[in-house]
Parts: sequence; C-alpha cells; structure tokens
Amino acid sequence: DAGVIQSPRHEVTEMGQEVTLRCKPISGHNSLFWYRQTMMRGLELLIYFNNNVPIDDSGMPEDRFSAKMPNASFSTLKIQPSEPRDSAVYFCASSLSVAGELFFGEGSRLTVL
Amino acid sequence: LAKTTQPISMDSYEGQEVNITCSHNNIATNDYITWYQQFPSQGPRFIIQGYKTKVTNEVASLFIPADRKSSTLSLPRVSLSDTAVYYCLVGDRGHILTGGGNKLTFGTGTQLKVEL
Repeated sequence: DAGVIQSPRHEVTEMGQEVTLRCKPISGHNSLFWYRQTMMRGLELLIYFNNNVPIDDSGMPEDRFSAKMPNASFSTLKIQPSEPRDSAVYFCASSLSVAGELFFGEGSRLTVL
Repeated sequence: LAKTTQPISMDSYEGQEVNITCSHNNIATNDYITWYQQFPSQGPRFIIQGYKTKVTNEVASLFIPADRKSSTLSLPRVSLSDTAVYYCLVGDRGHILTGGGNKLTFGTGTQLKVEL
C-alpha cells in the first residue's frame, strides 16, 4: 500500500522565492497534518485539516505560510516569500481521524539560501 | 496543552531492555499517551498508544500508573536498529475537532543509542 507521498524530497531555493510543498495522504484518511522539524525547535505542528477543512492553523509561523487542501487526496504548503529561517524538513502526515495513528511521509527538506 | 518531559538521550547495549519514561503532570482526563519512533531522514512512526495500566504489542510495552502523570515505554531486547529518537505525545482524542483540546504536538524526544 502506498503511504503518504511528499514532493519534492529536496528543494534548494533563494530567499524571496516562492516554495510549494505537496502531499498526497493515504487514501481513505480523513485528517492531514503538516509538521516542520528543525534541530532547534524539534517537530512542530503547523496546521491540520479534517475532511479537507483547516481546523487549527495556530502553528503556522506567519502570513508567509499558507496551506490548502482542495480535495481529499492532495494538500499543499506554500511559503511566499521564503526566508533562510524557513530551512527545515517539512513532514506531512495523515490519519483516519484527528485522534488516530499518524502516518508520516518521508519529508521535504527545504534549504533557503 | 499537556507538556511532556523526557530524557534527552539514553545509551544501551544490544539485548538489553530499555525503559524510557515520560512525565506529563498536567495530563487531562481525555488525554491518551502515544509514542512514536523516528529514524534519521524519515518521518516518525507510531509505536504504541494507551490510556491507563499496561498496553503491549509486538514492538513494545507501555506502562501507565494510576495517576497517569507519567508513562514508560519499554523496549525488550533492543538491537542496533532500535537506535532512533523516541517521542512521547499526550493528546486529547475527544475534543480536537472543537479546538478545545490538545493538539498532537511532539516534544524534543529521547535519542536512544544502542551499541554492541
């Protein structure tokens, strides 16, 4: 069975550029989560969706970050404009419900120069 | 939000039992305790979840005392491949949709290093 699929796996960009990270959750999962992981801050929850609706985006660091889930099989996390401090590994996870076991993708490693 | 506290790191040898304790003094009635494992360059992976007493699966056991203010993940007979970061999470399974409960937030985790 296919797990959570994230793309790109690696991205290097320059400050000020727009970055779009993509996620395909496991089919049938109703909840989707975006996390960011850095050495300094560990694994932080940015936003999560239930049935394609954003439930809590209080973890989104600032207005430069936005996330969408136009349908049950696709979500994006966009950073515009990107800054060097956004460099991190961004994980997408899905679950059958917001209280269920989380299944993580392999992450997207973002480097902003 | 029920804050969790874990040791930053632990060392062990192959074949030994490893117990990682997590403190969560402010755990709420509806909160469950969940443990995840993360290898380098991979996303975290679910290990075990419990509410009270003891839970066991093919990978680990989870011990939760009656006051639920702490929990212990027990890994029997560890091997080199168990070297990873282990996260303890405390989350409200019942009220997340209303925004009134706890979000599933990871702490800093425990880096377990297993040696020969």
